[in-house]
Parts: sequence; C-alpha cells; structure tokens
Amino acid sequence: SAVISQKPSRDICQRGTSLTIQCQVDSQVTMMFWYRQQPGQSLTLIATANQGSEATYESGFVIDKFPISRPNLTFSTLTVSNMSPEDSSIYLCSAAVARGGTTYEQYFGPGTRLTVT
Amino acid sequence: GQNIDQPTEMTATEGAIVQINCTYQTSGFNGLFWYQQHAGEAPTFLSYNVLDGLEEKGRFSSFLSRSKGYSYLLLKELQMKDSASYLCAVGNTGGFKTIFGAGTRLFVKA
Repeated sequence: SAVISQKPSRDICQRGTSLTIQCQVDSQVTMMFWYRQQPGQSLTLIATANQGSEATYESGFVIDKFPISRPNLTFSTLTVSNMSPEDSSIYLCSAAVARGGTTYEQYFGPGTRLTVT
Repeated sequence: GQNIDQPTEMTATEGAIVQINCTYQTSGFNGLFWYQQHAGEAPTFLSYNVLDGLEEKGRFSSFLSRSKGYSYLLLKELQMKDSASYLCAVGNTGGFKTIFGAGTRLFVKA
C-alpha cells in the first residue's frame, strides 16, 4: 500500500490568485495522478503526473490552468492558476502501486479543500 | 471512451445484505475497483478485481464478469457506519489510469 499526504488540507483563496498543492507519498510509486471532486459529485481525473516529463492532461484540463510537477517518484505538485469560484473543489492526489504485470492498486491522499471567493 | 453506470442511491437495513451493481464499457480494461467514501473524506480502497469471479474480504465481496462488463459489491451484516458513497472505477491499460463512476450513496437505517 501507499500512504499519501497533502498540503494544505484546505485553503480559502481570492479570485485571480494561484495555489500550489503538494503531495508526498511514503514510498516510490509507479504513477501519480491528480483528481478533482466537486461537491456531491464523483472524481474527475485532471492529469497523470509523469516523473521527469510533462504531465498528461485529460480532456477539459490544460497545463496553463493546472501546471503539474513531479520531480521524483514520491512527490508531486498541482497548481491551480488564476482561480475563479468555479475552481472551488476538493483536489485529490493519488498513487498507483504496481502489483505485477499490468495490475495495480490505487490509493488517495486526504484531499485539499479549496474555496475561491 | 469509457462509460460507467451505477445506481445513484440505495437504502438498506442494519444487519441486512446489499448488492451494489456496476456496469461499464471501456477499451483497454485493466481491472475494476471499488472504493468507499464517507462524506468529507478521501476514497478508501476496498477491492480490485482483474479476473472473473468473486473475491471475498470480510463483510465485503466483489464480483466481476468481464464478458458482461459487470461488477457488483456485496456488503453483508450491514452496519450504520457503512452509510457512505461507493465508487465503481475502471482501470485502463494505458498508464494505470482509473476512471470513476458517479458513485452510489448507500443509506443504512436502523
């Protein structure tokens, strides 16, 4: 398994500013991901954080808005840029741990609750 | 593309058994996950089925039929603390990517 921590746990930010969320895993993991969960909804994948290269973004998400870094196998950051109230959400870091072959297990951090005013 | 369907809400009685169904359509199937999520908390991993059949883990069991694109999560001896959302998610062979369904909110009543 993997234990994942995130900082900050919550924040209230003003419109137009940016917030960087940090994610730390207690062991080296194969893949790291960033998800968003809006109130009452399920998880939406934002991007896959690739170690040493640019993140892979899902449809509807772009690098300019959500720049992601992954400098090593245990750490990643997500920045929410030029925030608007629509960005208010819970942002979740996730890590996939390979089980053998192509199979894997996936774990989540506690999330960062972001409110944009 | 991928499509995952599960019921929006279910209600069951404490001590009973409940089955939460999930159907999916995907390319590059790489296993099916079930997660539990209590309000305001992160999802907690429950199960991961790659092969057809039933896997039992305490009060929780998960079943997969790849040919039918179907899975279910079975919860036995329901407890009040089992009231939560249960998320069905499908893994993809392209980079261990996991896509989530909308979730089923389970209400356990006394």
